Amino acid sequence: GAGVSQSPRYKVAKRGQDVALRCDPISGHVSLFWYQQALGQGPEFLTYFQNEAQLDKSGLPSDRFFAERPEGSVSTLKIQRTQQEDSAVYLCASSYKDRSYTEAFFGQGTRLTVV
Amino acid sequence: GENVEQHPSTLSVQEGDSAVIKCTYSDSASNYFPWYKQELGKRPQLIIDIRSNVGEKKDQRIAVTLNKTAKHFSLHITETQPEDSAVYFCAASKAGFKTIFGAGTRLFVKA
Repeated sequence: GAGVSQSPRYKVAKRGQDVALRCDPISGHVSLFWYQQALGQGPEFLTYFQNEAQLDKSGLPSDRFFAERPEGSVSTLKIQRTQQEDSAVYLCASSYKDRSYTEAFFGQGTRLTVV
Repeated sequence: GENVEQHPSTLSVQEGDSAVIKCTYSDSASNYFPWYKQELGKRPQLIIDIRSNVGEKKDQRIAVTLNKTAKHFSLHITETQPEDSAVYFCAASKAGFKTIFGAGTRLFVKA
């Protein structure tokens, strides 16, 4: 595709509900990142994939957060039993190469509101 | 842990003036420093980046400097224009992994 695509763009969840956020990276991009961006803050790292391998998940805030990229392309970030503090914009980014200095392209993000 | 501090949080300049945003990082192993511009409601977009083996890089009105000893890097925008108004984020990473972002600088350029 032309860019990184995320869906849905907006999600309202009731507290305790499970949600799944999807990221379609640019075709052929090896690296995929998930970030959480709270209002007025910079993106905070959640997790990183190189193809289908999740190489770093140190930023996931709790075991309610889970990410996967089973075929090395589309990725899903799942949040179980959502809490109000999970409300944020979730950004996905992808880059062409691994272990090199290449630009990461961001998606538009999914704005999650937990009520 | 790894941390990137960014200053100022808000910057207001007159059109045509220069704007400078400063960042410091904590992880001495960081070797890649991108800068992103984010307009309201839009995705962050890379505007310039610098690698640790370079001290300065310039692209038209935008320049970035890096002082590895001090773990400090800065963004300079000259001849600012109203369309430069946005939030700017500095970031630091090791070869593109686990990029750590600063908290952002909201730049206002007054016409």
